[in-house]
Amino acid sequence: LAKTTQPISMDSYEGQEVNITCSHNNIATNDYITWYQQFPSQGPRFIIQGYKTKVTNEVASLFIPADRKSSTLSLPRVSLSDTAVYYCLVGDDKAAGNKLTFGGGTRVLVKP
Amino acid sequence: NAGVMQNPRHLVRRRGQEARLRCSPMKGHSHVYWYRQLPEEGLKFMVYLQKENIIDESGMPKERFSAEFPKEGPSILRIQQVVRGDSAAYFCASSQTFTDANYGYTFGSGTRLTVV
Repeated sequence: LAKTTQPISMDSYEGQEVNITCSHNNIATNDYITWYQQFPSQGPRFIIQGYKTKVTNEVASLFIPADRKSSTLSLPRVSLSDTAVYYCLVGDDKAAGNKLTFGGGTRVLVKP
Repeated sequence: NAGVMQNPRHLVRRRGQEARLRCSPMKGHSHVYWYRQLPEEGLKFMVYLQKENIIDESGMPKERFSAEFPKEGPSILRIQQVVRGDSAAYFCASSQTFTDANYGYTFGSGTRLTVV
């Protein structure tokens, strides 16, 4: 499983865009990049998944360069409720049974 | 459509007692995964089960821990003779055979075990 590296923490203010970059130098051809969000006292929640280029949904955008050795999660116009830990995962989780490997995540604190 | 249901949400056990954690997967999901999260750390994989079968238990401690997913009823994670180091949040996730790219794995809200 590819190892990921992401910043330990980030501070932001309401209304700003937050970009979290994750490094995954050893990503394999079959690997997808998935981001989860975890609020205190809750389980992780799927945010977005991508393989290459750009993916956008109603919550976030995911930018993946051509070499796929990194990816950036972009949260537009954050609010206080976006304060959470964000995990970047890399793996072939299209098939059930893949063990999700969570690193330490990035703690995002959104300030008023 | 209820999500993954875990109970109890909080469980307090004295050292040496047994802890039983339950997980009901989402409707239509036949794959269950258990993860453990220590304070200020990421989740660590413990075990992957399908109905009546343990598929991968490579993350389970060799002693005192067991898991099952019977034909009927929820999946159970059982910890015998608990010790203080077992205090953690235990999360269950479920999935279909092939995960939907739009939803990934669905996690429950977890059971917080405190051993006193």
